Amino acid sequence: EAGVAQSPRYKIIEKRQSVAFWCNPISGHATLYWYQQILGQGPKLLIQFQNNGVVDDSQLPKDRFSAERLKGVDSTLKIQPAKLEDSAVYLCASSLGRNEETQYFGPGTRLLVL
Amino acid sequence: GDSVTQMEGPVTLSEEAFLTINCTYTATGYPSLFWYVQYPGEGLQLLLKATKADDKGSNKGFEATYRKETTSFHLEKGSVQVSDSAVYFCALRGKTGANNLFFGTGTRLTVIP
Repeated sequence: EAGVAQSPRYKIIEKRQSVAFWCNPISGHATLYWYQQILGQGPKLLIQFQNNGVVDDSQLPKDRFSAERLKGVDSTLKIQPAKLEDSAVYLCASSLGRNEETQYFGPGTRLLVL
Repeated sequence: GDSVTQMEGPVTLSEEAFLTINCTYTATGYPSLFWYVQYPGEGLQLLLKATKADDKGSNKGFEATYRKETTSFHLEKGSVQVSDSAVYFCALRGKTGANNLFFGTGTRLTVIP
């Protein structure tokens, strides 16, 4: 079974530029999560989707971050404009459903904002 | 709100030493508790979990017991190997609302031969 796929793996941009990350969850997984992991910290949830609907985006900085999952499968996370403090690893995870205990994580996208 | 406090690292042990990484939590009700591991260059992987009080999760020689009375979920292994070198994250998942995962800050373990 293929795992959660993410691209790109690495991205370097200058502040005020925009960037987008892509995630393809495990086939059949209805719930998709985006996390931000700043160096030296644990992952922090940014947004949770159930199919193509948003369940929780309370921690998403909506003035610059946006995410979508239009067809209930792939998802994109966008930052526009980026700030220095956005440098982090962005993790995508998926699970069978909201009540499913186990989340499966992708390898992450490491973003460096200069 | 829900939170996890995890023993700070880094931790360096010799091969075959005993490992304990402390984790305590604050949550409403009875959350599920997890340990995730992140090996160098890889993504987060679930190591073990426990979903109710007194449950013991175990995997790959690691164990953790859900202790409601002390709100703890300490990770233990009797004899560590070089291949256990990784970052370990304690996490909880509430059973109300959006059921999100809350992670600790992680503990880096290095095992030397």
